[in-house]
Amino acid sequence: AQSVAQPEDQVNVAEGNPLTVKCTYSVSGNPYLFWYVQYPNRGLQFLLKYITGDNLVKGSYGFEAEFNKSQTSFHLKKPSALVSDSALYFCAVRDRRRNNNDMRFGAGTRLTVKP
Amino acid sequence: GAVVSQHPSRVICKSGTSVKIECRSLDFQATTMFWYRQFPKKSLMLMATSNEGSKATYEQGVEKDKFLINHASLTLSTLTVTSAHPEDSSFYICSARGGGTMKTTDTQYFGPGTRLTVL
Repeated sequence: AQSVAQPEDQVNVAEGNPLTVKCTYSVSGNPYLFWYVQYPNRGLQFLLKYITGDNLVKGSYGFEAEFNKSQTSFHLKKPSALVSDSALYFCAVRDRRRNNNDMRFGAGTRLTVKP
Repeated sequence: GAVVSQHPSRVICKSGTSVKIECRSLDFQATTMFWYRQFPKKSLMLMATSNEGSKATYEQGVEKDKFLINHASLTLSTLTVTSAHPEDSSFYICSARGGGTMKTTDTQYFGPGTRLTVL
């Protein structure tokens, strides 16, 4: 079975500074990895995914994430944070085996970007 | 592309009534749809998974007779909360994954959610 850990409940950064939201995963096979963002009272918006290929994945709104197989991590990063990036971020993993519908989410990390 | 809509966005009902929530994939065919429940400041809890034309697969602890799921077409799934009680009050989010391009087969896309309040 797969699982995801987001070790930080809360991340605070100043506007203009780089941000990192951490995620580690556990999966028996090869993973599909995802990042989603949720604004208050809204559903989840897809940010980016790692399926195969380059370990550095670029996504929406200037976000990127690096797949690190040895460390089983998929940390979300952005070089320069904006106040509007403040939201709840979820990392998710799915086993790459065919027809696997079981996607597991982390507990979420609340990012606050202060002006 | 890959837009999922949900209706209604917010519903308030009396205890004992039934509420139907619709989830539609607007620009792709959703071979698989998912229903989640989210409690305040918590992660998503998967309730059930449904494939078009098949019965839904419910997660352990989710009452299938209370949460009726119908995935009648490749673009529509409905969740009906039957005989709702205050403890059913929550944020319900649907998600869809589809056939077609890699964009929709690999990735789940989420609806905007439905806030259910049972008085």
